[in-house]
Amino acid sequence: GQNIDQPTEMTATEGAIVQINCTYQTSGFNGLFWYQQHAGEAPTFLSYNVLDGLEEKGRFSSFLSRSKGYSYLLLKELQMKDSASYLCAVLDSNYQLIWGAGTKLIIKP
Amino acid sequence: ETGVTQTPRHLVMGMTNKKSLKCEQHLGHNAMYWYKQSAKKPLELMFVYSLEERVENNSVPSRFSPECPNSSHLFLHLHTLQPEDSALYLCASSQATGSSSGANVLTFGAGSRLTVL
Repeated sequence: GQNIDQPTEMTATEGAIVQINCTYQTSGFNGLFWYQQHAGEAPTFLSYNVLDGLEEKGRFSSFLSRSKGYSYLLLKELQMKDSASYLCAVLDSNYQLIWGAGTKLIIKP
Repeated sequence: ETGVTQTPRHLVMGMTNKKSLKCEQHLGHNAMYWYKQSAKKPLELMFVYSLEERVENNSVPSRFSPECPNSSHLFLHLHTLQPEDSALYLCASSQATGSSSGANVLTFGAGSRLTVL
């Protein structure tokens, strides 16, 4: 079967750096997405990786290793507003999105 | 309004009621989706419409009935639901489907929180 694994919950301190991992086993690969979802709000797009390597976008970076079936989202200079759930999703060979259950990130002062 | 708008934001219904969820997108996208989001579970794709044609139906019970009258509007009609159907129902849109590119990026609405008593 197809599977996306990410930690259920993580805690980090304001101003610090946190890395949220995502591992996947899917039927083919056509890209990996990260979305952010604040409580009670819509998920919003953060990043899309289809080639190996690191993509940086401000305080957020996303890394992909296709050979390892692995990605991470790196958040730097954490702010209280970064408290949210982070969803990892993979586009498989049929262009179906396979979703992880999300990682709830708690930021403490 | 811009983006994807869902109404109502909250809905409480009995098992014998009939209600509808509405979704509207103002992005000029060609594909629209219904997802079910339950606590601590992955998003579950329910229906996909591309250019107003249904292209995906992931074995959803018939008590959920989608309708896509045009590329900007999507409805989910609800009838004789069960308590386990209580969840957040998310609507989303994208430029296209079946593409390995940014055209698959989803724009979500804020969701309709459904409680079935």
